[in-house]
Order: sequence, then structure tokens, then C-alpha cells
Amino acid sequence: GENVEQHPSTLSVQEGDSAVIKCTYSDSASNYFPWYKQELGKGPQLIIDIRSNVGEKKDQRIAVTLNKTAKHFSLHITETQPEDSAVYFCAASLSNTGNQFYFGTGTSLTVIP
Amino acid sequence: GAGVSQSPSNKVTEKGKDVELRCDPISGHTALYWYRQRLGQGLEFLIYFQGNSAPDKSGLPSDRFSAERTGESVSTLTIQRTQQEDSAVYLCASSFQRGDEKLFFGSGTQLSVL
Repeated sequence: GENVEQHPSTLSVQEGDSAVIKCTYSDSASNYFPWYKQELGKGPQLIIDIRSNVGEKKDQRIAVTLNKTAKHFSLHITETQPEDSAVYFCAASLSNTGNQFYFGTGTSLTVIP
Repeated sequence: GAGVSQSPSNKVTEKGKDVELRCDPISGHTALYWYRQRLGQGLEFLIYFQGNSAPDKSGLPSDRFSAERTGESVSTLTIQRTQQEDSAVYLCASSFQRGDEKLFFGSGTQLSVL
């Protein structure tokens, strides 16, 4: 089965700096890679996703890059703000199977004002 | 409803007791998932329902765990004879249909087994 690894487990940055979180996956058949943000006491919320036919996707201060050959993908947050502080999870899935999402173990991001 | 609703938000129980957790998915969402999240860890898949198809139970950790879903609406996750290692947040998620990968999560049920 698929195995998703995520690094780092914790990350602290100064407000305004960039944050990068990296994930690797093992199953080359995986073709959908979402990122979720989980704030304290809440469920994960989808913030951005990318499919395997795309190398990069941006949404304002958030971007995700995908390297299919190396089987890794990354989340980039620029101009970080205190409200970006949360736990971020990456995941990998085989689209249209409709079942399993394989999640990373999460990165706790702290943005220091 | 506006989002995925889970109840109770917190549940404290004694070891050996049975518990039942409830999930109300977003109206019209045919796919429903249960995940377990232990403290400081990632999301562990438990079970998946899609319409009237047989559920994928491959993630259930033991026969003490079971789940049901009524049609395409409410789902209940039951844990029998709870153990301390069952303490975790249990998250429910739904999506519109098979192949629509965007998962919408509830806020979870924090289960504490004393």
C-alpha cells in the first residue's frame, strides 16, 4: 500500500518568512495530493490540492509543487501570518478509487509574531 | 446541513463500556469516511461508505469496532468494550461522490477512556 512521509514534524518561523513542508509517497500510481490545515479543536480543512498532471499550483500565499519522478510534493506558504499557525497534513490518493487517502503524520507550524 | 456534524464533541467513558459516535454528513454527499487521530499523530483510516455499496472496513483495528450508515445520511461508529488505547479523536469526513476527492471533515469526537 501507499506510504506517505512528512517533514518536518514541527516548524517555527518568524512572521513574514516563508514555510516549506515536504512529503514523499511510495506508490507511483497515486495521482491526487491534497493538503489539509487543522486548527486546534477543529477538523482538517482542505487548503490546496494538486493532481499528477500538474507540476505546481498557487493560491494567493499558498503553493504546492509536485515532482512525480522523485515522488515528492511540497507545500509553500509565503509571507506567513500568525493565523497560519496550525497542523498541516499532506495526503496521497488514487483518484476515482473513492476510498483510501493516505495521510502524512502532520507538521505543527508556529508563526512567531 | 452547512457542514459535517459530529456528536458528541467529547466523550469520557470507563474502560469496558461501549460507546457510540455519530456523524451527519453534508447533505447529498454519498461518500463517508471515519478516521482516528491519536494525540500528535496523523489520520488513521477506519472505514469508508459509498452509497449502497458494501463498506470498506479494512481499517477497523479490531472486531470491537463497527460502523453503520443509514442510506446516504447518518453514520454511527460503535466501539465495544473500550480500552484505554481507544482514546483518540474520531473524525468523520464526507465527499460528494466517488471520484470527487475533496473531503470535508467534521470537528471530531474526542474520546477519553479512563
